[in-house]
Amino acid sequence: DIVMTQSPDSLAVSLGERATINCKSSQSVLHSSSNRYYLAWYQQKPGQPPKLLISWASTRESWVPDRFSGSGSGTDFTLTISSLQAEDVAVYYCQQYYSPPLTFGGGTKVEIK
Amino acid sequence: QVQLQESGPGLVKPSQTLSLTCAVSSVSVSSGGNYWSWIRQPPGEGLEWIGYILYSGSTNYNPSLKSRLTISLDTSQNQFSLKLSSLTAADTAVYYCARSTSVGGWKFDPWGQGTLVTVSS
Repeated sequence: DIVMTQSPDSLAVSLGERATINCKSSQSVLHSSSNRYYLAWYQQKPGQPPKLLISWASTRESWVPDRFSGSGSGTDFTLTISSLQAEDVAVYYCQQYYSPPLTFGGGTKVEIK
Repeated sequence: QVQLQESGPGLVKPSQTLSLTCAVSSVSVSSGGNYWSWIRQPPGEGLEWIGYILYSGSTNYNPSLKSRLTISLDTSQNQFSLKLSSLTAADTAVYYCARSTSVGGWKFDPWGQGTLVTVSS
């Protein structure tokens, strides 16, 4: 199984400041034929299901504000919120979709400082 | 757009079998290229992929649950189902259904709202 490790478990950031979440996979999730990373990020607000935020490590979904960005290479990936807004308070999960069993990171809770 | 809605009992006794259904709208569960997954989340914890069924009916299960799990399609009702046997308290969770596609890979979008299942006597 590919183990996904997120850090930190939680972070508190002031409004307008940058939030950075890390995700590490235990093995490569780069598909050689497509040269794409099979890595997704989700946002989960209280009482709601997770919502797909970013796929292919860096491609934002259409509804996602451009203050969210995904990056990474090898086995290390990052979700960055460039200027935290109140509505960004949530738990964020990474997920590898390279090979079953499909696995998630443990989640990072983002709060306002 | 595609919508999914889970349904099932909120409370199940230990050792019994859980049966859940996910009703799908705006797309046929048997239309090509779709994977239909179950994912669960224990209260206050993270996400665990349970397994998926392909539009053709073939399945792929999480090895940690495989011996207790059956996922099936009901094309007449445009839904898919989960059966999980020999329940224990550790199976208490919110259960979500979600879609993946062959074009997009096994990422999950959209998700159902989820249904809380409590295993208790």
